[in-house]
Amino acid sequence: AQKITQTQPGMFVQEKEAVTLDCTYDTSDPSYGLFWYKQPSSGEMIFLIYQGSYDQQNATEGRYSLNFQKARKSANLVISASQLGDSAMYFCAMREHNTNAGKSTFGDGTTLTVKP
Amino acid sequence: KAGVTQTPRYLIKTRGQQVTLSCSPISGHRSVSWYQQTPGQGLQFLFEYFSETQRNKGNFPGRFSGRQFSNSRSEMNVSTLELGDSALYLCASSLGPTGVALQETQYFGPGTRLLVL
Repeated sequence: AQKITQTQPGMFVQEKEAVTLDCTYDTSDPSYGLFWYKQPSSGEMIFLIYQGSYDQQNATEGRYSLNFQKARKSANLVISASQLGDSAMYFCAMREHNTNAGKSTFGDGTTLTVKP
Repeated sequence: KAGVTQTPRYLIKTRGQQVTLSCSPISGHRSVSWYQQTPGQGLQFLFEYFSETQRNKGNFPGRFSGRQFSNSRSEMNVSTLELGDSALYLCASSLGPTGVALQETQYFGPGTRLLVL
């Protein structure tokens, strides 16, 4: 069964520093996608970055990068040069391509607080 | 391009009532998924529709149902509301099964906050 584990309920980071949010996953489907979403207090889930299971290179999107280690089944999000607006809940999610149509499985989330 | 819209944004109901939530996907998106988010259970998958057909369903009782229209708009209905149904209900849209994984990225709406008294 697909499963996402985020072991850090809360994280603090100083403004302008980098921070890594951990995510491990489990699946038996060889084809899957990994996603990170940001959820501010307003509630909307904002898509940040995607990594495919067959992608050879780690994904990057502006200040976001994904440290993908397939053998370890980990997909950590790295946020560089943190900003106060980065304070939010962050969710790691996975979608299997051959099973579970249309379903993303989410981790419990990590609350990130950026300190000035 | 407009994002995913959900109506209403906030709703207060009493136990035993029923409720219908609406979701309009991003233009061109044909897949709509629904999720329930609560502090205790996190994000739980309800169901997914593609081309007016339910392709997948989560582990929720039959009181939770949905449908999708020919224009890809979707509704979900909860009958006989219980206190535990209080949650943020999120709708997400994607292009659907294109065979290109990144194109199946789900984009979420702002959610409907349901409070059952």
